[in-house]
Formats: sequence, C-alpha cells, structure tokens
Amino acid sequence: QSILTQPPSLSGAPGQRVTISCAGSSSNIGANFAVHWYRQPPGTAPKLLIYGDNNRPSGVPDRFSGSKSGTSASLAISGLQAEDESDYYCQSYDNSLRAVVFGGGTKLTVL
Amino acid sequence: DVQMVESGGGLVQPGGSLRLSCAASGFSFSSHWMSWVRQAPGKGLEWLGNIKEDGSYKNLVDSVRGRFTISRDNANNLLYLHMSSVRVEDTAVYYCARERPGQHVALDNWGQGTLVTVSS
Repeated sequence: QSILTQPPSLSGAPGQRVTISCAGSSSNIGANFAVHWYRQPPGTAPKLLIYGDNNRPSGVPDRFSGSKSGTSASLAISGLQAEDESDYYCQSYDNSLRAVVFGGGTKLTVL
Repeated sequence: DVQMVESGGGLVQPGGSLRLSCAASGFSFSSHWMSWVRQAPGKGLEWLGNIKEDGSYKNLVDSVRGRFTISRDNANNLLYLHMSSVRVEDTAVYYCARERPGQHVALDNWGQGTLVTVSS
C-alpha cells in the first residue's frame, strides 16, 4: 500500500486530455512538500517529467503540466500521443516517515 | 552528457552481501546529493535513501536501515550501495539517481539500473 495513491490504470484516445491524480495526506503533499512526476516506458529507467509541483525540465513538451491543491496533486497530459503510453509515478516527501515516497504508479494506455 | 552507470548486480543467496556501484560522468558529481531507488519485478518505485554532496549526511529508509549503507567517492565520481543480510524481498532493479539542486529530492537523471536477485 503506497503512501501516495494513484489510479492503477487510465486510458485515452489520441488527441485527448487525461489527468492522473496523486492523493496524499497532511504529512506529505498537504505539508507543502514538493511533488514530482516521472514517466517510465516499459523496460526503461524512470525520467523526470515535472518537478516542484508544476515545472518542466528542459526538453519536456508543454503538453505535460502539474498542479497541486491541498493534499492532492495531478499530472495533466493534453494532446495525447501514442508515445505517451507509459507508467507514471508521483513522488513527494513524508515528514512522518522522514522519507521520500512514491505513488504506486499509473499505467497509461493510448487507445 | 549526464550519465550514470550502475554495476555489481547479480544472484546472491539470502543472508549474503553485495556492493552496487554507480559511475557518474558528464556533471559535477561532488555538487549533487545522490539517491538509490529500487523496483521489484512488476512493482512500483521504492526510494532507499540518499547521501549529501560531501558524504557527511545519509538517509536510509526503515526497510533497509541496518542492512544497507550508502557511500560515495567524489575523487572518482562513484556512488555505492553496500547491501548485507539480503532477503528474498530485496530482489529488484536498483537505480542510482542524481538529485536536482534546490528541489527536494527531484531525481533529474537516472542510471539504467542493475538487477539484484536474491535466491537460494
């Protein structure tokens, strides 16, 4: 059971907009610790997609955006493309556990 | 280009020891906190711990504290994960990752991972 809760799977058609949620608590996201997002295509290492709640590293298209409110965060992907099919993970810090925590991951399928 | 290459994985018996290495290049290694993350087969990501730029401060999660240690050799741009008393549940791909400065443990570059299999 992950400290951060994500939907296990999600799907969307090419061109659509999808949102992946990441639910936390008052000891992590709600304590205003930064949320970061990663994508992990099958058989490869994770790659940073969003850092500090809503910032994109250079090279990440602006189709990807992050937001945070209260004890939850979200990753939005607009203009869905076949190459977006991947696993996505949110990550934050939990001050009760005194550890970095990841969400369980969301498998995104592009129909 | 920033690159991290892990090595040292393999098959180890329960209760055994292993040392993983991560060779970093293409950036100022001594200017970054570094983390270890693992991923059990078919499972999600689990952060194991990190080490400060100069090696003076380390964090480890409860599940590995007392069994694993993290160290670094800044002269040779190397990061280590020393694993002892390994258990079957330590079977995973182990990644080293660079932390982005100023962003609380945002892992902005990852190695390709090395597989550790714990089995008798």
